Amino acid sequence: TQLLEQSPQFLSIQEGENLTVYCNSSSVFSSLQWYRQEPGEGPVLLVTVVTGGEVKKLKRLTFQFGDARKDSSLHITAAQPGDTGLYLCAGGRDQKVTFGIGTKLQVIP
Amino acid sequence: DAGVIQSPRHEVTEMGQEVTLRCKPISGHDYLFWYRQTMMRGLELLIYFNNNVPIDDSGMPEDRFSAKMPNASFSTLKIQPSEPRDSAVYFCASRDSPVNEQFFGPGTRLTVL
Repeated sequence: TQLLEQSPQFLSIQEGENLTVYCNSSSVFSSLQWYRQEPGEGPVLLVTVVTGGEVKKLKRLTFQFGDARKDSSLHITAAQPGDTGLYLCAGGRDQKVTFGIGTKLQVIP
Repeated sequence: DAGVIQSPRHEVTEMGQEVTLRCKPISGHDYLFWYRQTMMRGLELLIYFNNNVPIDDSGMPEDRFSAKMPNASFSTLKIQPSEPRDSAVYFCASRDSPVNEQFFGPGTRLTVL
């Protein structure tokens, strides 16, 4: 059983479409991070959210941390082929980070 | 800085052989993490060090796995003897404080035949 459940696991969309991916847990985290991983590389941090209800924007990406600090969402506006990759959420507690399995996104030109 | 360096990038070995994976963290980072990534289980924390001292090894799957950090610039993860179910991508990551970003290396893809 995964501590962090991500959905959907796979997503294939056309360039220009909007999408939202979700990260849910029954546990409370002190912080939540989103990473993007490309084939053959390690994950790269996109954002960290620490306050319940917090919203952060990174260009076309919008990240939200749930009020209870148990869930998060990532919304991408007007997706581009360069957004293709594995999106991982990770919950931080006690100096450790626990990762979800990820959402594999493919953006078709 | 070159980032986190891992070697080898790919390792193919036969069941029963010893495997040693190597990691050089970013200079000045005092936390080092070893992860294993598979399709089924995702990215799992195996062990982490702070100032070269192992803090939490609860993720190490069995006694066949061991990790060392003899100094601030080098760590190894050893599997002896290796088994086919150990096949995965192993990542090393480092960071410079309890709350800052982790920087991942490119990973070592291990295949045990």
